[in-house]
Amino acid sequence: AQSVTQLGSHVSVSEGALVLLRCNYSSSVPPYLFWYVQYPNQGLQLLLKYTTGATLVKGINGFEAEFKKSETSFHLTKPSAHMSDAAEYFCAVSTIPGGFKTIFGAGTRLFVKA
Amino acid sequence: DAGITQSPRHKVTETGTPVTLRCHQTENHRYMYWYRQDPGHGLRLIHYSYGVKDTDKGEVSDGYSVSRSKTEDFLLTLESATSSQTSVYFCAISDGLAGGLNTGELFFGEGSRLTVL
Repeated sequence: AQSVTQLGSHVSVSEGALVLLRCNYSSSVPPYLFWYVQYPNQGLQLLLKYTTGATLVKGINGFEAEFKKSETSFHLTKPSAHMSDAAEYFCAVSTIPGGFKTIFGAGTRLFVKA
Repeated sequence: DAGITQSPRHKVTETGTPVTLRCHQTENHRYMYWYRQDPGHGLRLIHYSYGVKDTDKGEVSDGYSVSRSKTEDFLLTLESATSSQTSVYFCAISDGLAGGLNTGELFFGEGSRLTVL
């Protein structure tokens, strides 16, 4: 069975500072990894994903994440936070055996201070 | 926007009554999911479907059942609603990763807010 752990339910950064949101996964088969963002009163939208190939993946709005198999991690980063990045971020893992079952982490709420 | 419609969008019901939430898609995607979102728990998978009449349990399936008789519709039923099932329910769809153009991305509906008194 797969699972996702997001370290830190709340993260606060200053505008212009580095954003680092942590995600660790557990999977008995090769995982497909995703980051989604949810703005207040909205649904989720995809930020970026890792399926195969290059382990450093770039997404929308300047975010990127690196798949590290040895550490079972898929941390999300952005060099310089913007006020508009304030939202809740979810890491997710999908596995193909079992019908593309997709499990989400508990989420990390990002606050950006002026 | 992906063609996903959830109904009803808001519902208030009493403990012990049955409730059915409907998810309808126009994308012909193979995979469909029901999640519930609660503060501090993120999105938890209730049930999912990988084809017509093919469904499986998720992390929090107790008290819920699902049915998928057509590609486009995925129903979530609470046979006897309890206050612990008060939540926001999201339907999602995906084309998976089986084909060259498939992205694996999940597309979400707008959510159904259920209150059980």
